[in-house]
Amino acid sequence: QSALTQPPSASGSPGQSVTISCTGTSSDFGGYNYVSWYQQYPGKAPKLIIYEVTRRPSGVPDRFSGSKSGNTASLTVSGLQTEDEADYYCNSYPGGNTPGVFGGGTKLTVL
Amino acid sequence: QVQLQESGPGLVKPSETLSLTCTVSGGSMSGHYWSWIRQPPGKGLEWIGYIYYTGSTKYNPSLNSRVTISIDTSKNQFYLKVNSVTAADTAVYYCARRNWGVLGGGLDSWGQGTLVTASS
Repeated sequence: QSALTQPPSASGSPGQSVTISCTGTSSDFGGYNYVSWYQQYPGKAPKLIIYEVTRRPSGVPDRFSGSKSGNTASLTVSGLQTEDEADYYCNSYPGGNTPGVFGGGTKLTVL
Repeated sequence: QVQLQESGPGLVKPSETLSLTCTVSGGSMSGHYWSWIRQPPGKGLEWIGYIYYTGSTKYNPSLNSRVTISIDTSKNQFYLKVNSVTAADTAVYYCARRNWGVLGGGLDSWGQGTLVTASS
C-alpha cells in the first residue's frame, strides 16, 4: 500500500478558506468511510480533527470540515486563523491485512 | 482522559532489536486497539501496526516480518519490537489509541513520541 497523495503545501490568508486533497485508489479506501485527518504542530504529536470522513471530535472547531468524492478525500479549513498553520495528514482504513494508510502530509501556511 | 507515554532506549545499533513500551494511564485498555506509528525526521507518518486488547494484531505489510506488538493489560502496557534495524528505522515513534467504538477508527489519544536513532 503506497501513501495517499496530498499536496506538499497549501496556503491562505487569515479569514480565507483552503482545501487540502487526499487521493488514493479504490483499494486504499476499501469501500469504507474510515477517513480521518490529523493536525500536527512541529515537535508535537498529531491531533485527530476529522474522523469517518466528515465527523469532528468534541472540541474541534467547526471551521474544520471533511468530505469525500470517489477516491479523493478533502479537508477544508474555513475562516483561516494563524494557529491553523501546521502539518495535516489524512489516513484511510483499507481493510484486509493493513492497519491503515497515511497521506504524505500537507504543510499549511497562513500568510 | 487517557494518557499514553512511550519509553525505551533512544539509540539502537544497526542489526539489533528496537524495543519500546507504551504505558497507558487514566483509562482501561479493554475494548480498544493500541497502535504504533512512526515518523522519520522531516518526513510523514507511517503505520507500524496495532493490537486489540485481546492480543490480535495487524501489521504494516512492509514491516510485517520484522515487527512484533504485544500487550499486558495487567500492567496497562503494550510493546513494540522491531528486529534487524537499519538507519531507515530512525524515527520518532508514537503510541496511540485507535478508537473504533466511538470515533470510527480515529487515533484519539497519542503519546508525546520518542526519538529512536539507529546508529553504531
